[in-house]
Amino acid sequence: RKEVEQDPGPFNVPEGATVAFNCTYSNSASQSFFWYRQDCRKEPKLLMSVYSSGNEDGRFTAQLNRASQYISLLIRDSKLSDSATYLCVALRGNNDMRFGAGTRLTVKP
Amino acid sequence: DAMVIQNPRYQVTQFGKPVTLSCSQTLNHNVMYWYQQKSSQAPKLLFHYYDKDFNNEADTPDNFQSRRPNTSFCFLDIRSPGLGDAAMYLCATRADRDATYEQYFGPGTRLTVT
Repeated sequence: RKEVEQDPGPFNVPEGATVAFNCTYSNSASQSFFWYRQDCRKEPKLLMSVYSSGNEDGRFTAQLNRASQYISLLIRDSKLSDSATYLCVALRGNNDMRFGAGTRLTVKP
Repeated sequence: DAMVIQNPRYQVTQFGKPVTLSCSQTLNHNVMYWYQQKSSQAPKLLFHYYDKDFNNEADTPDNFQSRRPNTSFCFLDIRSPGLGDAAMYLCATRADRDATYEQYFGPGTRLTVT
């Protein structure tokens, strides 16, 4: 079983739609969580960290449920530029980052 | 601009012919990582350096080695590339003092094995 699991998608949504991605992690020792964005054939870039209380950054909202070992990302009012692969990441200790395989999003006009 | 640089961006090597990929950073970060990413898969951590301390992942094949001669540079050596080693290799850095734990990735080197 993979340590971080995501629905691979693809999610195809129209502009303006709200879309939610889910992620589960298996190692309860994971302490910190992140969403990274990866454009096609490019490197991953940090989108946002995920805090227990939930956090919001503009159109993006991240939630963490430690009891269920579940992380989510909500994107509101989708833009064409949101099209990318979204990687869920769990961190153990200071340096052991475990990536999910990513969920691919395509936003269409 | 401060950044993580990887050279070359594209590398073609022959089966069994040693190859070295390089990473440099101007961020003065003390932690450097090498990941392998195959198509539609998660980046897989191969190893990382915490300052000069080398930390190998248990499932990283012996075929993969790394050197970090100074803070700025880190190399990935593949001693005898196989067809299964064709992938994108990503270098990343992090500052241990950074409480966000954000990793900064280079653009990657896409390795083709013929």
